[in-house]
Amino acid sequence: DQQVKQNSPSLSVQEGRISILNCDYTNSMFDYFLWYKKYPAEGPTFLISISSIKDKNEDGRFTVFLNKSAKHLSLHIVPSQPGDSAVYFCAASAVGPSRQLTFGSGTQLTVLP
Amino acid sequence: DARVTQTPRHKVTEMGQEVTMRCQPILGHNTVFWYRQTMMQGLELLAYFRNRAPLDDSGMPKDRFSAEMPDATLATLKIQPSEPRDSAVYFCASGSDPPNEQFFGPGTRLTVL
Repeated sequence: DQQVKQNSPSLSVQEGRISILNCDYTNSMFDYFLWYKKYPAEGPTFLISISSIKDKNEDGRFTVFLNKSAKHLSLHIVPSQPGDSAVYFCAASAVGPSRQLTFGSGTQLTVLP
Repeated sequence: DARVTQTPRHKVTEMGQEVTMRCQPILGHNTVFWYRQTMMQGLELLAYFRNRAPLDDSGMPKDRFSAEMPDATLATLKIQPSEPRDSAVYFCASGSDPPNEQFFGPGTRLTVL
């Protein structure tokens, strides 16, 4: 049972346009959400996060939106650049002492020049 | 520039052989995670340590996998005996909580023939 789902395995966007990556979750106990970016032959790198007490967090070109009622979050990249081409993983952690992350299966973003 | 390091970066072995992967977490981090990435499963959590104590290894096949932290600067993941289905990229990550961000190493690409 996948608790964190990224239903789009791939997304192509033109350079300069907005990229929107989506993530859905099922566990109501998740209270912290993160996005990671992964290039080939490298480990995932932390990109941006959001706590469940917020509905938006912005960092430069990256904005994460959280809709708790829909159990949905999204990552917006504006404007998209060719260097943003990578696999993006959504992750979530739940209230409690463990705080381990549950990852989605990833979305391959390709930004076309 | 603090980073998580992993050795070896690549390992090719034959079925039945023992494989040991090593990880040096970022100095000062008190949590260490082992993940496996496969094409089908995305990032799966194998084991999780906090302050060197194993907290969760439910994702790990117990009969052949073992994870340890002999000291705060070294985490190991061992497979004995290895099987072709173990072929994957194994990532180590470290972090300090709160917050929940985890910092990933470059991974060990394991191929079991």
